Amino acid sequence: EADIYQTPRYLVIGTGKKITLECSQTMGHDKMYWYQQDPGMELHLIHYSYGVNSTEKGDLSSESTVSRIRTEHFPLTLESARPSHTSQYLCASRQTGVTEAFFGQGTRLTVV
Amino acid sequence: KQEVTQIPAALSVPEGENLVLNCSFTDSAIYNLQWFRQDPGKGLTSLLLIQSSQREQTSGRLNASLDKSSGRSTLYIAASQPGDSATYLCATQGGSEKLVFGKGTKLTVNP
Repeated sequence: EADIYQTPRYLVIGTGKKITLECSQTMGHDKMYWYQQDPGMELHLIHYSYGVNSTEKGDLSSESTVSRIRTEHFPLTLESARPSHTSQYLCASRQTGVTEAFFGQGTRLTVV
Repeated sequence: KQEVTQIPAALSVPEGENLVLNCSFTDSAIYNLQWFRQDPGKGLTSLLLIQSSQREQTSGRLNASLDKSSGRSTLYIAASQPGDSATYLCATQGGSEKLVFGKGTKLTVNP
C-alpha cells in the first residue's frame, strides 16, 4: 500500500481564486512529481523535485508553481484559477535508484 | 526524446481469456519500465516494475516482459476477470529520472 496522499480529492472553484493542492508522502522518498491528466488523455509532467529546495518545470508548460520545503510535502499552487486549469492533477513519489513510483489518488479540479 | 506507444488503444475480451498488452519505446537507454493500472477518475496503481537488467517480472496472474534492445515490453494477463477492466499504462524511466508514459490501453473484460 502506497503512503502518498492528495487533498482535496475534488475541488470546484470560481475563476480568479487562489488554490493549493496538497501532496504528502510518508515513505521518505526524495523525488516527487506532479502530472496533469485530462479525461481519457495521457499524463503530462508539469513539475518535479529531486529533494528539499529543488523544483523543476516539467515537459508541459503550466501556470502553477510548486515548493519543496520538507521532504514529505510537495504542494502545487495556482495563483489565479481559470477554466483552462480544469483537469485531474496526480502526485507521485519515488526514491532515487531503481524503485517503483507511487501515485496518490489525484485531485479533480473544476474551475467555473 | 523518449516516446512511448501502447497498442491497442482499447481492447474488449470475454471473461477467462488470456491477453497481451503491448508497449514500445524509442530510446532503449532506460533504467526500468513500470506497468500501472488506472481506474476511472482515480490515481495510478503500480502493478510491476522491471529493471533494465531483467527480462520479466510476475505478480499473480500478471507477467511483464522487457526486451530493451528492441524497445518493447508486454503485459500478459492470464484468465482475465471483469475486475481487471481498467486502463493499463506503461512508463519508462531513464537518466533524466522522469517517468515517460504511453497513452494507455483501455481494457474491458465482459462477464
